[in-house]
Amino acid sequence: DGGITQSPKYLFRKEGQNVTLSCEQNLNHDAMYWYRQDPGQGLRLIYYSQIVNDFQKGDIAEGYSVSREKKESFPLTVTSAQKNPTAFYLCASSSTVNTEAFFGQGTRLTVV
Amino acid sequence: QKEVEQNSGPLSVPEGAIASLNCTYSDRGSQSFFWYRQYSGKSPELIMFIYSNGDKEDGRFTAQLNKASQYVSLLIRDSQPSDSATYLCAVNKAGRRALTFGSGTRLQVQP
Repeated sequence: DGGITQSPKYLFRKEGQNVTLSCEQNLNHDAMYWYRQDPGQGLRLIYYSQIVNDFQKGDIAEGYSVSREKKESFPLTVTSAQKNPTAFYLCASSSTVNTEAFFGQGTRLTVV
Repeated sequence: QKEVEQNSGPLSVPEGAIASLNCTYSDRGSQSFFWYRQYSGKSPELIMFIYSNGDKEDGRFTAQLNKASQYVSLLIRDSQPSDSATYLCAVNKAGRRALTFGSGTRLQVQP
């Protein structure tokens, strides 16, 4: 069953901690993306990757880091430098850039 | 000016009516246009995409693109209460290798 899997669905972080959000896809897509969504707002691009071992900053990359060591995996680390990390995080993939993107089910991160 | 602009709504229509959702974009070089539906607390799901000027139909959904006026719209015929959701417009801007999203329009279909 092809798709994009994000884990965990809910995540609680203490202030000052780094946390890593997982994103795995078995669609054989080259491109992967991370977006952040705040209540009542659209999606803002954090990072994207066109191919393995390559990734680019999006509009709000500060306080975040990513890696793309495997085609199917694109984990996002929310570092302690991210001052307001509470949000809904969405991972997406597309066969190539500039084609339709498909989303995972999202991870809701809350700072406690 | 926002790169992709949508009226936040809510847009309220009675069941069985046509819902019309609009989106304008600022970059004339944009090539691809997408509509996503997002239910509350869920992730966006792709409804349809359009690349060329004119209309594209898929079941009850019709996407309309007018590049000269820089707008794209989504029509939903025979609206159902299950269509109640937020509809996100997304655009592939020239030179940018990821979708740019509007903030969405909330649609309410009244039974």
